[in-house]
Amino acid sequence: EAQVTQNPRYLITVTGKKLTVTCSQNMNHEYMSWYRQDPGLGLRQIYYSMNVEVTDKGDVPEGYKVSRKEKRNFPLILESPSPNQTSLYFCASSLTGGRYEQYFGPGTRLTVT
Amino acid sequence: GDSVTQMEGPVTLSEEAFLTINCTYTATGYPSLFWYVQYPGEGLQLLLKATKADDKGSNKGFEATYRKETTSFHLEKGSVQVSDSAVYFCALSKTGANNLFFGTGTRLTVIP
Repeated sequence: EAQVTQNPRYLITVTGKKLTVTCSQNMNHEYMSWYRQDPGLGLRQIYYSMNVEVTDKGDVPEGYKVSRKEKRNFPLILESPSPNQTSLYFCASSLTGGRYEQYFGPGTRLTVT
Repeated sequence: GDSVTQMEGPVTLSEEAFLTINCTYTATGYPSLFWYVQYPGEGLQLLLKATKADDKGSNKGFEATYRKETTSFHLEKGSVQVSDSAVYFCALSKTGANNLFFGTGTRLTVIP
């Protein structure tokens, strides 16, 4: 089954404790992206990747890191989480770019206390 | 800059009612327009799209027409069902761009 998976689905952590949210797709997509969803703000792009070893900032990259060492994986790293990063995070992938249909993971709800 | 404006929710309708969710956009050139739907506890999934002016996207009884003269892409369905209860997002993407600009989402609740 074609899908995007994220782990963990729920995470509660404390300020400053490094964490990684994993994202994996099995559709051989070149493009992958991370979004955060906040009430009243819709989805905002954090980072995206056009292919292996190619990443670039989205609209709200501060406080986040990503890497793309393999085509299927695109982890999101919060090296020193803060409470304003409490949000619902979605990973997405598409064939070749942002203007094509994007397939979303189920989401990761992160709470930073 | 590019942006999408959706009608505020939430929207509550009775089963079999007519649905319209308004979406207008601001963008230079000719963006592609999308409606994504998010069912409870799930990620977003593409509902329909249109890539040029006067195109009509349709899926699962939903329709939206790309109107360049009014910069709009309103979502409509003639008869909603309880299973249509979800959050609906309008989005745009431009040629050469690498992201989608999303609206804030409209929560629809359909009651029996």
